[in-house]
Amino acid sequence: ETGVTQSPTHLIKTRGQQVTLRCSSQSGHNTVSWYQQALGQGPQFIFQYYREEENGRGNFPPRFSGLQFPNYSSELNVNALELDDSALYLCASSQSPTDTQYFGPGTRLTVL
Amino acid sequence: DQQVKQNSPSLSVQEGRISILNCDYTNSMFDYFLWYKKYPAEGPTFLISISSIKDKNEDGRFTVFLNKSAKHLSLHIVPSQPGDSAVYFCAASARGGSEKLVFGKGTKLTVNP
Repeated sequence: ETGVTQSPTHLIKTRGQQVTLRCSSQSGHNTVSWYQQALGQGPQFIFQYYREEENGRGNFPPRFSGLQFPNYSSELNVNALELDDSALYLCASSQSPTDTQYFGPGTRLTVL
Repeated sequence: DQQVKQNSPSLSVQEGRISILNCDYTNSMFDYFLWYKKYPAEGPTFLISISSIKDKNEDGRFTVFLNKSAKHLSLHIVPSQPGDSAVYFCAASARGGSEKLVFGKGTKLTVNP
């Protein structure tokens, strides 16, 4: 059974650019949640997708957007990158919105 | 406004002894709590959870205690092993399950041989 995978592993962008991060959910999981983990902090909830629909959002601006595809994989898009967007972005999948979340290894984004 | 607080950034214990990691929360709507463990360059790994209708949950060497009146939970690891060395995150949810998790900042546990 394949776990949650994320790509790319690392990414460097400049301020103002746009970025797309990808997540493949674990087999049998229909829910994907995205988190941002800044240095020295715990993960912070961005949003959750359940069966291709957004199912809740944290305190993040609209320039953070997402998609979930019919195979339940997901994308996180961030527009107009700011220096403070530099963080580890974690994706987690689960069998339902309330089931245990299983995390991928994350994508390290650096904004210069 | 941090709703989940882990006030000890680090903890060091000897192999074989008990490790106790603490977590406090402020939101009385939280009804489900989890502990995750994170190794460097890996994502958090689920360890154990507890619903607010219980005050204790045990899984092998790991036990989580919940004190609702004090808004406090703790993770006990007995006996501690060097492989337990990692960052431990406490997380909480107000949705009756593992949804929209709110995490603490983490406690780095070091288990010395």
